[in-house]
Amino acid sequence: EVQLVESGGGLVQPGGSLRLSCAASGFTFSDYDMHWVRQAPGKGLEWVSTLDSADDTYYPGSVKGRFTFSRGNAKNSLFLQMNSLGAGDTAVYYCARGSNLNDAFDIWGQGTVVTVSS
Amino acid sequence: NFMLTQPHSVSESPGKTVTISCTRSSGRMASDYVQWYQQRPGSSPTTVIYEDNQRPSGVPDRFSGSIDSASNSASLTISGLKTEDEADYYCQSFDSSDHSWVFGGGTKLTVL
Repeated sequence: EVQLVESGGGLVQPGGSLRLSCAASGFTFSDYDMHWVRQAPGKGLEWVSTLDSADDTYYPGSVKGRFTFSRGNAKNSLFLQMNSLGAGDTAVYYCARGSNLNDAFDIWGQGTVVTVSS
Repeated sequence: NFMLTQPHSVSESPGKTVTISCTRSSGRMASDYVQWYQQRPGSSPTTVIYEDNQRPSGVPDRFSGSIDSASNSASLTISGLKTEDEADYYCQSFDSSDHSWVFGGGTKLTVL
């Protein structure tokens, strides 16, 4: 079964850091573009970062320079390093697989909750 | 850069048909595919339409998508509404100018 499982969320103080993990089963990460999408409480979906199959990374202006998306040494692990966190980063963070045929997100994890608060 | 604008909410009765719009602020809607995602409360999003009008396997044919170049918008139409269709729906496209993925703000569908 194709599945994504996120972990690493939690409570962090403003200005702090957190590293999220995404583990895959049923497919190989390196064959697909992988993404992080977040959803603030009661709000809509926001694209956060992309690591494509060529290992290029992309970020929106809201997180560029603060977030880093990388692959782990294990073939089926991905990490999102988040630094200089602020209240606006409080959200559920979803790991999502990009379709090989288009720019859609075809598989989503269950999400991990990040809360930035003092 | 462009934005995708959706109505905040729509409501309709069971058995009826509802259409949710997604309007692109600049550039041609038809230049990049549009996807639609359904998100039920407490769940992750799932795809109901990809590539403007394609349904993933398992999505009933009550769901359809279209593009209207005249209004520069995409639409998701759900016919024969069921209470289980009550959810938030998001349109999404790709901005090739800066290699970014864009979501609409989401539409809450109430079936009552």
